[in-house]
Amino acid sequence: GAVVSQHPSWVICKSGTSVKIECRSLDFQATTMFWYRQFPKQSLMLMATSNEGSKATYEQGVEKDKFLINHASLTLSTLTVTSAHPEDSSFYICSAMVPGGGDTQYFGPGTRLTVL
Amino acid sequence: GQQVMQIPQYQHVQEGEDFTTYCNSSTTLSNIQWYKQRPGGHPVFLIQLVKSGEVKKQKRLTFQFGEAKKNSSLHITATQTTDVGTYFCAASRSWELVFGQGTRLTINP
Repeated sequence: GAVVSQHPSWVICKSGTSVKIECRSLDFQATTMFWYRQFPKQSLMLMATSNEGSKATYEQGVEKDKFLINHASLTLSTLTVTSAHPEDSSFYICSAMVPGGGDTQYFGPGTRLTVL
Repeated sequence: GQQVMQIPQYQHVQEGEDFTTYCNSSTTLSNIQWYKQRPGGHPVFLIQLVKSGEVKKQKRLTFQFGEAKKNSSLHITATQTTDVGTYFCAASRSWELVFGQGTRLTINP
């Protein structure tokens, strides 16, 4: 159990375009999901906490108008990178907590974004 | 804000040697979690420690939580090539996790 999927697994886009990444909890309902960014050989940096039915909470330094998060249902959160630039190229990973499972997080497989 | 320092950043061992990574915090932690990320993969939950002085084992992996709940360690006995990856500790901050920098383990077969 506790499977989290992410789509797409990789994407290449042109500078200035927008990219949407989906995160789904497949076998449980997740009221809270998290979005992380990971640069090569570095740790995971929390970007935002996504709460179903309410606005996301962004970490300091993360532009909420650039990284749009929508948590429209208990099984789906989306991250849209708007007007992407090469410096946005990174590995984006979502995670979710299982209700009643403490604060253990289950991670999606990640999305590798390359902006040309 | 809460920070978790993890050392070493890199560790290269011969297969069969032991490996240890350490996490330290300046503040008392409610719990600490350990994750493993294989090259090209995503973090996978290994274990959570909650109690002061707690020690848990998973086959060749031994996890410890310090008495003051400010530090933790992961020890692997007799490493195997399947142990390759980056090991992260993570501390809870409300609902969120704060990750250490990770220790990248490489193994010479």
